[in-house]
Amino acid sequence: EDKVVQSPLSLVVHEGDTVTLNCSYEVTNFRSLLWYKQEKKAPTFLFMLTSSGIEKKSGRLSSILDKKELFSILNITATQTGDSAVYLCAVGYLSSSNTGKLIFGQGTTLQVKP
Amino acid sequence: DGGITQSPKYLFRKEGQNVTLSCEQNLNHDAMYWYRQDPGQGLRLIYYSQIVNDFQKGDIAEGYSVSREKKESFPLTVTSAQKNPTAFYLCASSAGGWYNEQFFGPGTRLTVL
Repeated sequence: EDKVVQSPLSLVVHEGDTVTLNCSYEVTNFRSLLWYKQEKKAPTFLFMLTSSGIEKKSGRLSSILDKKELFSILNITATQTGDSAVYLCAVGYLSSSNTGKLIFGQGTTLQVKP
Repeated sequence: DGGITQSPKYLFRKEGQNVTLSCEQNLNHDAMYWYRQDPGQGLRLIYYSQIVNDFQKGDIAEGYSVSREKKESFPLTVTSAQKNPTAFYLCASSAGGWYNEQFFGPGTRLTVL
């Protein structure tokens, strides 16, 4: 069964801490992995990863993909209260019936305390 | 401003009633999607449309219906056949295929009384 699993499901840290969020997947024909940040309503796009070992970086956020071990991590350094959100991981793949699909993990809820 | 709008923001419905959730985009995207989000379950795909006048069932289509008569619009009807409709509904669109970034609307929270 195709699936995406995120861990931990929730996390509480203090401002200034560094956090690492995990996303592992099992899909038939992998095409892409996407990270989103959701603050109460619309998820907003963070990164799209398609190649192993190439880090994507945006300010204090960075992400990397390991296609051999089938996982990605999202790192947030020097966390701020504004980083509090649900972080969603999604994997795009070609299913066994040869149709494109995108499945989401359960999300990781991050709370950053002052 | 380009983007996706959803209305209403909050919707209350009595059991046995059909309701329609609106989704409009002005991004000129061909593909549009409807997701349902429940606590602890991430996003699950209800229906999607890759082109006008065509749409396909997603993983949890039972009790829902859609139409795609215009490129900009992809309304979702939650019918009385949907057994557990209380949820947060998100609409999204994308320019490319399945594997690319999707842009999301602000969502509609549906509560069945």
